[in-house]
Amino acid sequence: NAGVMQNPRHLVRRRGQEARLRCSPMKGHSHVYWYRQLPEEGLKFMVYLQKENIIDESGMPKERFSAEFPKEGPSILRIQQVVRGDSAAYFCASSPNSQSEAFFGQGTRLTVV
Amino acid sequence: EDKVVQSPLSLVVHEGDTVTLNCSYEVTNFRSLLWYKQEKKAPTFLFMLTSSGIEKKSGRLSSILDKKELSSILNITATQTGDSAIYLCAVPSNSGYALNFGKGTSLLVTP
Repeated sequence: NAGVMQNPRHLVRRRGQEARLRCSPMKGHSHVYWYRQLPEEGLKFMVYLQKENIIDESGMPKERFSAEFPKEGPSILRIQQVVRGDSAAYFCASSPNSQSEAFFGQGTRLTVV
Repeated sequence: EDKVVQSPLSLVVHEGDTVTLNCSYEVTNFRSLLWYKQEKKAPTFLFMLTSSGIEKKSGRLSSILDKKELSSILNITATQTGDSAIYLCAVPSNSGYALNFGKGTSLLVTP
């Protein structure tokens, strides 16, 4: 049973470009969470999704950021018109339900130049 | 506002030492407390604690929750260089979905 898979592992974007981060949850997990880790900061919750539904996006910036978890395929975190401040490690986690521990992927390190 | 505070922020010990990491929390509706170990990349799950006073153990690591004191400790005995990592404590938010993480304790075990 493969763990949570994220790709790419590293992503470099110029200011103004779009970044797409992908997350495939563990087999049997239908709950996906995205977190962001800024340098010298703790992990901050962004959004929680179940298949085809956004359950809680209270941690997501109101503009430029969006997330989806389609019926088929991975969850996508999309950042439009990236700025330098978006540079961070973005982690995805999955769980079989909302009460169980979440397992994290390796993260995508986004660098905006 | 929910809050998770870890101490110390960083720690340097010699191989073989025993260390105790602390986590205190303030949360509206407590459900559980989780410990993760973060090396270079992904946080890896260590323990989930829900009941006060019951120790969870995995090899040289153990953890216990004190609901009265709103805190938890993570103990590592006979430390090894491979224990060097950031140890994260997290508590689910009131919604139950989001995990509120502390800033972590950075542990360095020197040979």
